Amino acid sequence: SQQGEEDPQALSIQEGENATMNCSYKTSINNLQWYRQNSGRGLVHLILIRSNEREKHSGRLRVTLDTSKKSSSLLITASRAADTASYFCAPSLNSGGSNYKLTFGKGTLLTVNP
Amino acid sequence: NAGVTQTPKFQVLKTGQSMTLQCAQDMNHEYMSWYRQDPGMGLRLIHYSVGAGITDQGEVPNGYNVSRSTTEDFPLRLLSAAPSQTSVYFCASSTPAIGTQYFGPGTRLLVL
Repeated sequence: SQQGEEDPQALSIQEGENATMNCSYKTSINNLQWYRQNSGRGLVHLILIRSNEREKHSGRLRVTLDTSKKSSSLLITASRAADTASYFCAPSLNSGGSNYKLTFGKGTLLTVNP
Repeated sequence: NAGVTQTPKFQVLKTGQSMTLQCAQDMNHEYMSWYRQDPGMGLRLIHYSVGAGITDQGEVPNGYNVSRSTTEDFPLRLLSAAPSQTSVYFCASSTPAIGTQYFGPGTRLLVL
């Protein structure tokens, strides 16, 4: 497994604005996942993007993947106070067969102010 | 369908005591994993299992034991608690077909 590194470490925006956070990794991957963690809770899976995909949407979430730059970005549009959480990326070297050993970085702490 | 459950939610131990953190899932997932999360840090993998009777070490296994006698349960044992094991512990389950992990609510452990 390999670790992704999220950037920025912290992000503070106003409700209604868009939030963008980035993830970099070091080796080739099969897929990359984004998770959200509300304070004191377990991680919740948001979206998975495969290495042969460049962009994926899910509701207000948009994820891009640039395998040549070994980077991904997560865009949350029209943010809400309820989006306040830490966001983690998890690059996976293999197919779903090794998703029991994901490695998580320190995450991006997003604060959405009402 | 409860998903992944963990007990207890919070525990205080004295140095040297032992205890077992419980984890159960009702989704018939083959894979289960234990992570710890320290303040300002990401999650670090302690142990994982790819099926009943099969376990392996993750990134930070020292001081912890696991076993997997059934598909549903994956307990984590602290053999002799140390203050360095103060952390929040998360259990997760997954399957190869899904590719994502489902996390429990966590157990907060304080070792004095």
